[in-house]
Amino acid sequence: RKEVEQDPGPFNVPEGATVAFNCTYSNSASQSFFWYRQDCRKEPKLLMSVYSSGNEDGRFTAQLNRASQYISLLIRDSKLSDSATYLCVVRGTDTGRRALTFGSGTRLQVQP
Amino acid sequence: DGGITQSPKYLFRKEGQNVTLSCEQNLNHDAMYWYRQDPGQGLRLIYYSQIVNDFQKGDIAEGYSVSREKKESFPLTVTSAQKNPTAFYLCASMRESYDTQYFGPGTRLTVL
Repeated sequence: RKEVEQDPGPFNVPEGATVAFNCTYSNSASQSFFWYRQDCRKEPKLLMSVYSSGNEDGRFTAQLNRASQYISLLIRDSKLSDSATYLCVVRGTDTGRRALTFGSGTRLQVQP
Repeated sequence: DGGITQSPKYLFRKEGQNVTLSCEQNLNHDAMYWYRQDPGQGLRLIYYSQIVNDFQKGDIAEGYSVSREKKESFPLTVTSAQKNPTAFYLCASMRESYDTQYFGPGTRLTVL
């Protein structure tokens, strides 16, 4: 089983739609959670951190469910510019290396 | 402008050759990382360094080597022992006591 699993998509949605992605992680001791955005042939960029209480940044809302070990990302009022691959990212308990474990990504295509 | 730079952007290698990928950061970050990304897959950790003159193997270190002689620089050498080196290579850095990693623009390596 992969450490971080995502539905690869693609999710094809019209402009203005609301779309939600889920991600599950296998290590129950994981400590930090993030969503990164990656445009085609570019580097990943941090979209937002995910906190237990949930957090919102404009049209984006992230939620964490520790009991079920899943993370979600909700995008409201989708824009064409939201088209990208969204990576679910988890930091484990290895405090020595503090490296991140990446999901394979969910591709979003927003259509006019 | 603070950031992470990687060079070259594209690199072509003949089988049997070693090549070195450059990664430089002026963010004064302590930790630096090398990841590899293959099409449709998440990032996988190759090597990481928490401090100058110290580095550790990640999950897929075979066929790679690194050095960390300066805080700002963390070059990666892809040796001829790496059997399938064609991939997108990403360097990242992170400040001590923070969770967020920032990525350079990446190097696309192709073996001819």
